[in-house]
Amino acid sequence: EADIYQTPRYLVIGTGKKITLECSQTMGHDKMYWYQQDPGMELHLIHYSYGVNSTEKGDLSSESTVSRIRTEHFPLTLESARPSHTSQYLCATARAGVKTQYFGPGTRLLVL
Amino acid sequence: DQQVKQNSPSLSVQEGRISILNCDYTNSMFDYFLWYKKYPAEGPTFLISISSIKDKNEDGRFTVFLNKSAKHLSLHIVPSQPGDSAVYFCAASEEDEGAQKLVFGQGTRLTINP
Repeated sequence: EADIYQTPRYLVIGTGKKITLECSQTMGHDKMYWYQQDPGMELHLIHYSYGVNSTEKGDLSSESTVSRIRTEHFPLTLESARPSHTSQYLCATARAGVKTQYFGPGTRLLVL
Repeated sequence: DQQVKQNSPSLSVQEGRISILNCDYTNSMFDYFLWYKKYPAEGPTFLISISSIKDKNEDGRFTVFLNKSAKHLSLHIVPSQPGDSAVYFCAASEEDEGAQKLVFGQGTRLTINP
């Protein structure tokens, strides 16, 4: 079944730790996105990729980095987590030439 | 400056009645609009979309209306069901330096009362 997977679903971690949030998809989509959402607020685009070895920064400045070595995998890394990074992180995919994006279940990150 | 606005943070509707969720935008370059539904601790689920060349799109209980002159779109749900209780986000698509991006509103929390 075509789907989008995000792990972990929940993460509580201390300040200064390095973390990687995983996103993988079996949708066969070329385009992948990372959004950040705080409670009660809109989703903000932080990274996107249009294919292997393609990564771009989104509209919201983020200290995270991403990579796209394989079509189905788009991990997000924070080298040194801080309390200001506490948020929900949502991964999305879209087919080339199509504007509708489909979302994974999200990762809720709490940095103490 | 927020380009997509949902001015009602919450809406309460009786089961079986019509729910109307509203969204305003400021950027006339938006060419495609979408509605998503989100439950707590889950990712948004795509509901329905509309191209800027249309003024109405219908899918089952969901209808989206677009008024380009007013830069306004709305989502109608009829009849409303308890399972419709969730946060609804409208989003607008733009081409930005060759990249297709979605801009989201802040969401409206819909509660369907039995």
